[in-house]
Amino acid sequence: GAVVSQHPSRVICKSGTSVKIECRSLDFQATTMFWYRQFPKQSLMLMATSNEGSKATYEQGVEKDKFLINHASLTLSTLTVTSAHPEDSSFYICSAPPRGYDYGYTFGSGTRLTVV
Amino acid sequence: LAKTTQPISMDSYEGQEVNITCSHNNIATNDYITWYQQFPSQGPRFIIQGYKTKVTNEVASLFIPADRKSSTLSLPRVSLSDTAVYYCLVGDGNQFYFGTGTSLTVIP
Repeated sequence: GAVVSQHPSRVICKSGTSVKIECRSLDFQATTMFWYRQFPKQSLMLMATSNEGSKATYEQGVEKDKFLINHASLTLSTLTVTSAHPEDSSFYICSAPPRGYDYGYTFGSGTRLTVV
Repeated sequence: LAKTTQPISMDSYEGQEVNITCSHNNIATNDYITWYQQFPSQGPRFIIQGYKTKVTNEVASLFIPADRKSSTLSLPRVSLSDTAVYYCLVGDGNQFYFGTGTSLTVIP
């Protein structure tokens, strides 16, 4: 079945530094990738949609200069958290759209970001 | 996009059937209903999807009444490993927005 590989699974960084999170579609091509953020005990919040070959679309309230999204190829999308602050500490998850009806979205395993 | 409403939490004993209902009064004609399961610190996992009536797969059943304003996920004979958050999503295959989800706790 479809697999989205997300790395790293955990990362700790210092305030002010940048962190890159990668999502790769391993056995299929994903022209679109969705990025979510999830705080403890809360639901997933859609941050942005990345599209191969074009600019990402950000949800209202998400700072595009802080959360840089790049869809470099049909199998790779990246999220870079720039100038990270403790309030950016969260669980970040990517997902690729369904390959067809009755498959559902394929989610990555998530990245736990802790900014100290 | 249709908003979904689910119970915040549910408890069930092992071996029982669990039914989780989701309300989606504003569902559009092209929307279908999808359920996901999420364990702590993991990405959501697809469970089942349907458009109307009843759908069954190896892990769950999905019941959708004729008006499609609600749906019920049925988990037969739950085990401790089914303790997770279950999300009901409604959409046409493009963007999906997650609701609050239902935290299911299975009790020994």
